[in-house]
Amino acid sequence: DGGITQSPKYLFRKEGQNVTLSCEQNLNHDAMYWYRQDPGQGLRLIYYSQIVNDFQKGDIAEGYSVSREKKESFPLTVTSAQKNPTAFYLCASSIGQGAFGNTIYFGEGSWLTVV
Amino acid sequence: QQPVQSPQAVILREGEDAVINCSSSKALYSVHWYRQKHGEAPVFLMILLKGGEQMRHEKISASFNEKKQQSSLYLTASQLSYSGTYFCGTEQDNTDKLIFGTGTRLQVFP
Repeated sequence: DGGITQSPKYLFRKEGQNVTLSCEQNLNHDAMYWYRQDPGQGLRLIYYSQIVNDFQKGDIAEGYSVSREKKESFPLTVTSAQKNPTAFYLCASSIGQGAFGNTIYFGEGSWLTVV
Repeated sequence: QQPVQSPQAVILREGEDAVINCSSSKALYSVHWYRQKHGEAPVFLMILLKGGEQMRHEKISASFNEKKQQSSLYLTASQLSYSGTYFCGTEQDNTDKLIFGTGTRLQVFP
């Protein structure tokens, strides 16, 4: 089945540690996105990538880093510089380069808790 | 800039109707509507494009007023399965990224 796979589903991190969230898609989509969702809040864009080896910062990129070495993979690293990383992280993808007219599909999400 | 949704929350009895609004201070190229159940991924409902027609999916429909930079989602004869949080995602100024609204929590009771 085609879709977006995020792992791990749940992750606990100690303060000061970096952690990487995996996102893999087999939909052959060009564009991929990372969103953060805090409890009771909307989705905020962290980073997005329209093509391999290229990505742009979203609205809350500070403390995060990404790479896009392969079309199907867009991992997100939450660094120790991110002051409040506890949140629900959603990876998404769309068929075209960008959002216009293209449905954005979401993965099941990863819950990150800092302990 | 994050679009504003209203109302923040709606409580309905099964069979009642509801309208959810999404407003932006910036020009919009497209509006996407999603529904999210708690702890799950948002599920796509529909897209409205600039210059496009009103969309409908079963008993859920949506409109897009480009001049007012607003979109509305209409839920007719609500069902229990409609419960969840509804988000509008807006593409602003042809920037190729989607900015989501604050969300509207909808609860439908029997």
